[in-house]
Amino acid sequence: GAGVSQSPSNKVTEKGKDVELRCDPISGHTALYWYRQSLGQGLEFLIYFQGNSAPDKSGLPSDRFSAERTGGSVSTLTIQRTQQEDSAVYLCASSLAVWGSSNNSPLHFGNGTRLTVT
Amino acid sequence: GQSLEQPSEVTAVEGAIVQINCTYQTSGFYGLSWYQQHDGGAPTFLSYNALDGLEETGRFSSFLSRSDSYGYLLLQELQMKDSASYFCALTDSWGKFQFGAGTQVVVTP
Repeated sequence: GAGVSQSPSNKVTEKGKDVELRCDPISGHTALYWYRQSLGQGLEFLIYFQGNSAPDKSGLPSDRFSAERTGGSVSTLTIQRTQQEDSAVYLCASSLAVWGSSNNSPLHFGNGTRLTVT
Repeated sequence: GQSLEQPSEVTAVEGAIVQINCTYQTSGFYGLSWYQQHDGGAPTFLSYNALDGLEETGRFSSFLSRSDSYGYLLLQELQMKDSASYFCALTDSWGKFQFGAGTQVVVTP
């Protein structure tokens, strides 16, 4: 079936503009994650949605960043008043969200949105 | 909170064996996972350990020791296509994945 889909794949924006990044998770996956990855760096956790629970927003770097997930499916990450340090690849991942000693639900990543702020 | 440490880079020749260690500090977690990421690509799942011991998946094996707070990924019979970054990740009790900084594996002929 279809994997995690992210759009746009590339986005170039001017400093100070707002941007919206979209993620379509795998159907039936209740957990959805946003990560940020700068060139040659690791994956920085941003936000985590799990079912109908309140999202874990502990990784959002500032109040310019927000995300929502509508109907338990599609998610949008919004960055307001973009800054040059926001330039990075934004990765979305989804999971069935079942973990334990005998169960494993790995993360399935999209190909990311490469954001460049000029 | 969690913190995971892994070496930044490992270089080895084709056919060799490479072990990537991951040490962590956490109060509790479901399991330790490993992901592979080629340049310009998305991370893909390799292996998962919920219990102590060795999990084998083809040329790749992963190990976890909760008492020692460490795990490792073992890459055997290295191939050029194994050149990539490898990330360890902990799944906490709320289902959040926290990743290490990644280890770049460079395979030489």
